[in-house]
Amino acid sequence: GQQLNQSPQSMFIQEGEDVSMNCTSSSIFNTWLWYKQDPGEGPVLLIALYKAGELTSNGRLTAQFGITRKDSFLNISASIPSDVGIYFCAGGLSGYALNFGKGTSLLVTP
Amino acid sequence: DGGITQSPKYLFRKEGQNVTLSCEQNLNHDAMYWYRQDPGQGLRLIYYSQIVNDFQKGDIAEGYSVSREKKESFPLTVTSAQKNPTAFYLCASRIISGFGYSNQPQHFGDGTRLSIL
Repeated sequence: GQQLNQSPQSMFIQEGEDVSMNCTSSSIFNTWLWYKQDPGEGPVLLIALYKAGELTSNGRLTAQFGITRKDSFLNISASIPSDVGIYFCAGGLSGYALNFGKGTSLLVTP
Repeated sequence: DGGITQSPKYLFRKEGQNVTLSCEQNLNHDAMYWYRQDPGQGLRLIYYSQIVNDFQKGDIAEGYSVSREKKESFPLTVTSAQKNPTAFYLCASRIISGFGYSNQPQHFGDGTRLSIL
């Protein structure tokens, strides 16, 4: 499978700031997923997107399925210390294994 | 509780030794996956299985083997042929059968950290 281009690689922000990260692919997907991983644990699903142009929120998190079907964005508003972790994007096509980005490491200072 | 259970949490391998990582799920999911995670590398697919008694190689299958004798179990063996086995291993599963389920997301276990003695 292909490795997706996820950026930025890391972010160091102050509590209360908004965060944006994105993921791009060279091919079209019909599913985009965003996961968060805490140290020493498995990734946990944050948001699932199934339709081009779809905008979905989960609390302070908002993600969008790009209209070209080759990209996706995740925004975190008013960050808090527990937002610290690694955020992964994943793209998929029906019947195939997911393709993952390398992750965005987020650090939040109080 | 329903979920994906990986064991052990930590595992040590001696040179030339095969070790097996366990992954069990009680979610009645069809497909199961094994990933390797190295720092800064994201998740790389080792093997996956969409149905009992069938599995496919992922991007980095060399030095690994799997079996899928039961729907709920997908053990991964790290063989002595894998010369750099130190990593965090993640198991995942998802539904793939039935109308509208083909795009269901994967759910992950809590991982096994494997180190060389």
